[in-house]
Amino acid sequence: GAGVSQSPSNKVTEKGKDVELRCDPISGHTALYWYRQSLGQGLEFLIYFQGNSAPDKSGLPSDRFSAERTGGSVSTLTIQRTQQEDSAVYLCASSPGQGYYSGNTIYFGEGSWLTVV
Amino acid sequence: SQQGEEDPQALSIQEGENATMNCSYKTSINNLQWYRQNSGRGLVHLILIRSNEREKHSGRLRVTLDTSKKSSSLLITASRAADTASYFCATHEGGATNKLIFGTGTLLAVQP
Repeated sequence: GAGVSQSPSNKVTEKGKDVELRCDPISGHTALYWYRQSLGQGLEFLIYFQGNSAPDKSGLPSDRFSAERTGGSVSTLTIQRTQQEDSAVYLCASSPGQGYYSGNTIYFGEGSWLTVV
Repeated sequence: SQQGEEDPQALSIQEGENATMNCSYKTSINNLQWYRQNSGRGLVHLILIRSNEREKHSGRLRVTLDTSKKSSSLLITASRAADTASYFCATHEGGATNKLIFGTGTLLAVQP
């Protein structure tokens, strides 16, 4: 597709269950980001993938959170043993290449709303 | 931790008025970007200003950057009801990294 695609759009899960959120970045984009946004709050950085480099996992809040990026394209964010405080919108974004020096902007998906009950 | 802090947290104005939002950041930057978010969904890039620029315009948007004060402002002129959204500034974390850190955002409400 033309943009960043995320699925599911909405997910309601029971406390203690595992969830997987998927992100399809824009074709050719080497950088992929996951952010979390709680209701009415700013964006919290979770993890960043850049090409074949080791991902920057410094934002993952606990070891219940993990993410993979297969073949340099699709990414899956997994939350194990979900807790109510995990309820939030999980936003994925991608950008082309090394943006720091060139000032590449990043393109966001519409997010996955996760509700843990 | 959040790199940027926006103020005000919320702003309500009448259509036709100008809206000014401010952003402060902590580390040295190469560029600063502003994004807009409607109704808690995906963010859309508005404008990028580089560290060697002091002011930049795009349509009704005007962004300024003061690297000595580590601050930026976004001005929306002649606001419209459709400008109602949350606005975030974003910077790369210190060092040569592509990791983008967002501020806390300003919720702008433009009353028709």
